[in-house]
Amino acid sequence: GAGVSQTPSNKVTEKGKYVELRCDPISGHTALYWYRQSLGQGPEFLIYFQGTGAADDSGLPNDRFFAVRPEGSVSTLKIQRTERGDSAVYLCASSLGGPTGELFFGEGSRLTVL
Amino acid sequence: GENVEQHPSTLSVQEGDSAVIKCTYSDSASNYFPWYKQELGKGPQLIIDIRSNVGEKKDQRIAVTLNKTAKHFSLHITETQPEDSAVYFCAASSAGGTSYGKLTFGQGTILTVHP
Repeated sequence: GAGVSQTPSNKVTEKGKYVELRCDPISGHTALYWYRQSLGQGPEFLIYFQGTGAADDSGLPNDRFFAVRPEGSVSTLKIQRTERGDSAVYLCASSLGGPTGELFFGEGSRLTVL
Repeated sequence: GENVEQHPSTLSVQEGDSAVIKCTYSDSASNYFPWYKQELGKGPQLIIDIRSNVGEKKDQRIAVTLNKTAKHFSLHITETQPEDSAVYFCAASSAGGTSYGKLTFGQGTILTVHP
C-alpha cells in the first residue's frame, strides 16, 4: 500500500514479556517517528530516525524501550519487561524530512499489557 | 520543554455552524504549528499547518491563525458538516533545521457536528 503500515494492529501480552512493534514507512521517506498515545490524550514523541540513525531519542521513557531502523526503511520498536503502564497505541509516522513538515501516520499498534 | 494546552476538550455544534479550537504554547522558539484530525481507529491526519512567518492561513472551510506575541493559535472550521466530527489535535514544534516532525501535541478536542 501507499501509506505507513504498522503490525500488529493489536497486541495483548502479559506483564514482564518482551514485545516488538513494526513500522513500514512510505517508500522514499527518510524520516521516521514513533509516538505513543494513551487513551484520551494526544500523541507523545518517543524517537526520531533520519535514515538509519536515531537522531533524537529523548522521548523514550526508560531503558526498557529501544528502537532500530537498520536499513533506513522498516523500523522496530522493542519493549522489554513490559509493564501495565506501557498499554497504549504506538503510532509510527514518516516524512520526507527537512522543512516540509508533514507527518504521515500509520493506524497504530494497540498494546495491552495484562 | 514545550507545553501545549488545548481547549475546549469537547465541542458540539449544529451542521452549518462554525467551530473554533484554541491552543497556547510555552516555548517561544516554536515555529511550526500543525493541526491534525483523528478519526476512530485511525492515525492522525494533517489538515492544515502554519509557520511562524505568517499570521493566518486558509484552505477552503478551514483556517488557522497564529499570534506569536501571545503564543496562541486557533483552528476555525466554517460551514461544519457531520463528516467533520472527529478528534482534533494542535501541535507545536521548535525542531527546525533538520525536521519539524518532533511535535508536542495538545490534549485534543472531540468535535461533534449534529445534522
